[in-house]
Amino acid sequence: AQKITQTQPGMFVQEKEAVTLDCTYDTSDQSYGLFWYKQPSSGEMIFLIYQGSYDEQNATEGRYSLNFQKARKSANLVISASQLGDSAMYFCAMRGNAGGTSYGKLTFGQGTILTVHP
Amino acid sequence: NAGVTQTPKFQVLKTGQSMTLQCAQDMNHEYMSWYRQDPGMGLRLIHYSVGAGITDQGEVPNGYNVSRSTTEDFPLRLLSAAPSQTSVYFCASSPDQLPSTDTQYFGPGTRLTVL
Repeated sequence: AQKITQTQPGMFVQEKEAVTLDCTYDTSDQSYGLFWYKQPSSGEMIFLIYQGSYDEQNATEGRYSLNFQKARKSANLVISASQLGDSAMYFCAMRGNAGGTSYGKLTFGQGTILTVHP
Repeated sequence: NAGVTQTPKFQVLKTGQSMTLQCAQDMNHEYMSWYRQDPGMGLRLIHYSVGAGITDQGEVPNGYNVSRSTTEDFPLRLLSAAPSQTSVYFCASSPDQLPSTDTQYFGPGTRLTVL
């Protein structure tokens, strides 16, 4: 079984500063993928960034980077230069790669609400 | 290319009523999934499908049925609605095999209230 833990129910950050959202995971799969999604108040799920378990470098997508520490089973999201539009709920998710059916299954954490102050 | 579409966007049911949430995708994706999102919780997998004619249960399947007669459509049926099924429902699709970096594409969601 897979499990994702996000221990920060809410986070606050000042505009233009960086913020780290924590995510730890547990899985018995040797190969897996980790995702971060953003859910604004409008409700849609927006894909932000992906990290594969065998990727040696941390993933980056614009202002988003994923601090992947495999031994500690953590996959923290770092948002640099926060903007007011970053205020949203953020979810960490995992997909195992132990067979083809895993592509249809994501396990989500409980989410972190990020508020960016001007 | 509409992506993943869901209908209706909002629905209110009375306890015991049945209904079908519709989901369609036009990306020729093999994998489709249904999730529910409750307040204070992340999305939880209800059912998923790895192709037409093939479905399987996720984490919270009780009270829901699915079928996959075509690649494009993956409807979710509530057999006898209960207040515990009040939630936001998301449908998602993803391509099969590689690249494994590909994410799931989510629909806009259906907000269901059961009175």
